[in-house]
Amino acid sequence: SQQGEEDPQALSIQEGENATMNCSYKTSINNLQWYRQNSGRGLVHLILIRSNEREKHSGRLRVTLDTSKKSSSLLITASRAADTASYFCATDHGSGNTGKLIFGQGTTLQVKP
Amino acid sequence: KAGVTQTPRYLIKTRGQQVTLSCSPISGHRSVSWYQQTPGQGLQFLFEYFSETQRNKGNFPGRFSGRQFSNSRSEMNVSTLELGDSALYLCASSLGQGIAGANVLTFGAGSRLTVL
Repeated sequence: SQQGEEDPQALSIQEGENATMNCSYKTSINNLQWYRQNSGRGLVHLILIRSNEREKHSGRLRVTLDTSKKSSSLLITASRAADTASYFCATDHGSGNTGKLIFGQGTTLQVKP
Repeated sequence: KAGVTQTPRYLIKTRGQQVTLSCSPISGHRSVSWYQQTPGQGLQFLFEYFSETQRNKGNFPGRFSGRQFSNSRSEMNVSTLELGDSALYLCASSLGQGIAGANVLTFGAGSRLTVL
């Protein structure tokens, strides 16, 4: 299976701390995306990083990509209780146009107030 | 602008029945993708439609089918329901072509199907 793996599966931190989640995949990608899901609802797109990029920032989010190791990490700085959610990486192994993404199993983040 | 709308939000069926789920994408999005989410298997890609044509298909049996209309709205159908089809079915729309980031997905809230 091409499905990516994420670790940790669960993460519990205090408000204000940083949270780091990792994602690994098996075959070459066009891009890698991170999504957030609150309590069994729809997913929300957070950030996209292309295969020729190494790092991207968006607000309190920092994503890195290491294509040689086939891995990515998502860092959330200064976490808030509202960041409590499941986070998924999703890889595009095609042209960069299609909606066929391979999702990891996700990391459940709990941020305690 | 309006988001991705999925109907119905919840439904309960019995084994052997069939179900049709509907998805209205964001205006201007020509691609609609369907995903199944279960606790055991996670998020799995079902299929994608672009300009009324199935562009990609996942590894699901033929009981799972879909279609897309000229206004980009999409439906998926599951026939002869099995207990294992109980899941959250998510629809996502995207531009589907042209620019970088054309496959950034905007998801609907999902249709939660329970098969008894």
